Amino acid sequence: GQSLEQPSEVTAVEGAIVQINCTYQTSGFYGLSWYQQHDGGAPTFLSYNALDGLEETGRFSSFLSRSDSYGYLLLQELQMKDSASYFCAVRIQPGGYQKVTFGTGTKLQVIP
Amino acid sequence: GAVVSQHPSWVICKSGTSVKIECRSLDFQATTMFWYRQFPKQSLMLMATSNEGSKATYEQGVEKDKFLINHASLTLSTLTVTSAHPEDSSFYICSARREGPMNTGELFFGEGSRLTVL
Repeated sequence: GQSLEQPSEVTAVEGAIVQINCTYQTSGFYGLSWYQQHDGGAPTFLSYNALDGLEETGRFSSFLSRSDSYGYLLLQELQMKDSASYFCAVRIQPGGYQKVTFGTGTKLQVIP
Repeated sequence: GAVVSQHPSWVICKSGTSVKIECRSLDFQATTMFWYRQFPKQSLMLMATSNEGSKATYEQGVEKDKFLINHASLTLSTLTVTSAHPEDSSFYICSARREGPMNTGELFFGEGSRLTVL
């Protein structure tokens, strides 16, 4: 089977840095994505890592280690609006087609 | 950026009726669309992969006769919840991926459809 594990909740202070980890077990791995979802809304794309290393997009960075089946999302200069749920998602092709499955999600609360 | 539109946003129906949800990619063609289901405070669960011109691929445990998926064109996929019951009440959300050289790995999501079955 496959699994993606994330911490369920994280609390951080406005202006700080927070790291959300994701470990996965799957076959046919293509890449790891991160999505943000505010309550009641649709997920929005943050980043995608197909290769090992760090990808930086503004205040957000994402890291992947394929050998460790591990990745993380790094949020810098936290703002109150960053309070949301964050999901890692793996793009896999276990058989003849590709699909994207999501992790358990991490609820981030940013406090003043 | 690419836009995916989903309709309706909200639907309330009586038990035993069927509900159709549409998912459209507005500015790109999508040979593949994904349908997810999300319960409150939980993750997105992949229900099926919708393939243009062919049968959908359902995830284990998802009843294909219950959740009918049709992907008749490169811009439209539909999910029909047949004979809906209260336990089918959930947030259903579709997504699509831009194919070809423009593919960045990003999934573009529709706005979601909140189904309530009375």
